Amino acid sequence: NAGVTQTPKFQVLKTGQSMTLQCAQDMNHEYMSWYRQDPGMGLRLIHYSVGAGITDQGEVPNGYNVSRSTTEDFPLRLLSAAPSQTSVYFCASSLLAVSSYNSPLHFGNGTRLTVT
Amino acid sequence: AQKITQTQPGMFVQEKEAVTLDCTYDTSDQSYGLFWYKQPSSGEMIFLIYQGSYDEQNATEGRYSLNFQKARKSANLVISASQLGDSAMYFCAMREGWSTDKLIFGTGTRLQVFP
Repeated sequence: NAGVTQTPKFQVLKTGQSMTLQCAQDMNHEYMSWYRQDPGMGLRLIHYSVGAGITDQGEVPNGYNVSRSTTEDFPLRLLSAAPSQTSVYFCASSLLAVSSYNSPLHFGNGTRLTVT
Repeated sequence: AQKITQTQPGMFVQEKEAVTLDCTYDTSDQSYGLFWYKQPSSGEMIFLIYQGSYDEQNATEGRYSLNFQKARKSANLVISASQLGDSAMYFCAMREGWSTDKLIFGTGTRLQVFP
C-alpha cells in the first residue's frame, strides 16, 4: 500500500522562485491537508480540502496555493518562495469525520524545503 | 478557539520504566477527538492512539494508554515499559466536533529513553 506519497523529499529554492509540492493518496480519502513543521511550533495547518473542487485556508495560508481537481491529488504551490518558508512540509489525508469520527490522519513522509 | 498545550519540551525515561507525556486542550465543543502521534528521528508521523470525548473508558493500544480526564481537559499519553525505540517526538492533536476534519497539533514533547 502506497498510502500518502509526497514528492520531492528535499528541495532547495532561491528567494522568489515558485514550485509545487506534490501529494497523492490511494486510500480514497475525502479529506486532505498540508502542514508545515517548524522547530518548537508543532505542525501548523496551511490548507485543507474536504473533496474534489473544495479547498479552504488553515492557520498559515499566506504564500501558498492549493487545488483539488481529483480525490487523489492535492498539490501545494509556493507562489514566490521566501526564507520564512523554509520548513518541513507534510501532506496528510483521512476519511471525513462525519463518516468516521475517529479516523486518524495518514501522513506522507514529508518534504524538507530550504529557501535561500 | 481550540488549542492544544504540551508543556514538556523534553522528557527522559529509563528503559523499562513508564512515562507520562502531558497534553491539555481547550475547546468549547462537547464533541471532540484527541489523537497522539509519534515522530521518530526519521521524520515520519505515526498514529498511536485515539480518544473520543464521549468514550467512557480510557483508550489503550498495546503499551500506549491515554489518561483522559475530561473535567481537567487533559489527555496524557502513558507509555509503559519504555523501549529505546520509543525515543521520538510525540504530538498531541485534537479534532473539534464531527463537522470539522481539521486536526490542531501541540508543539510536541521530545522523549529520550536511556538504557
